[in-house]
Amino acid sequence: DADVTQTPRNRITKTGKRIMLECSQTKGHDRMYWYRQDPGLGLRLIYYSFDVKDINKGEISDGYSVSRQAQAKFSLSLESAIPNQTALYFCATSDPSGRETQYFGPGTRLLVL
Amino acid sequence: AQKITQTQPGMFVQEKEAVTLDCTYDTSDPSYGLFWYKQPSSGEMIFLIYQGSYDQQNATEGRYSLNFQKARKSANLVISASQLGDSAMYFCAMSQPTGNQFYFGTGTSLTVIP
Repeated sequence: DADVTQTPRNRITKTGKRIMLECSQTKGHDRMYWYRQDPGLGLRLIYYSFDVKDINKGEISDGYSVSRQAQAKFSLSLESAIPNQTALYFCATSDPSGRETQYFGPGTRLLVL
Repeated sequence: AQKITQTQPGMFVQEKEAVTLDCTYDTSDPSYGLFWYKQPSSGEMIFLIYQGSYDQQNATEGRYSLNFQKARKSANLVISASQLGDSAMYFCAMSQPTGNQFYFGTGTSLTVIP
């Protein structure tokens, strides 16, 4: 079984809809992250969380919110989806006691019409 | 300011040849980590190799090696004996304990030619 899972893997939604992307991990890491990937721009950090009570904005947090329900679960919400939020979204975890290597989920492809 | 720069949007290499993917980084922090990830067309991000700023020797993982030149702030990935399955996007990344940040480059698309 994968250490970091994301649901759904693919999602099509309409402008103005609220959607949630979910991430679960079995690695036991405290740190979790949400990124979006756009062609030619690499990965950009949306939000990150170092434990259940610690949530921080990343480079591009506008239009997004997150919830850290437990050490193993970190959800990303688009409050009112817009077409330029069409992207590939990744969840990742890291272990601060190690090298801080980030381990990624398989990604969620989101299309906003 | 760009923390990680990958200047090669696309690269081609003949199967069984070696290829070097360039990465330069920008930091004034003495402690940092450098990473390379592979993203095949299926989309997942696969961790390849890590180099710590205090590591004396270049990191190696199988056919992957990291050519770490600290004074030049470069961390190039060398793939030896390229295989068709190496065709993918490759991302260089850096972690900085100070500020708890993780930065990615824009990636290099590698195509291995039979």
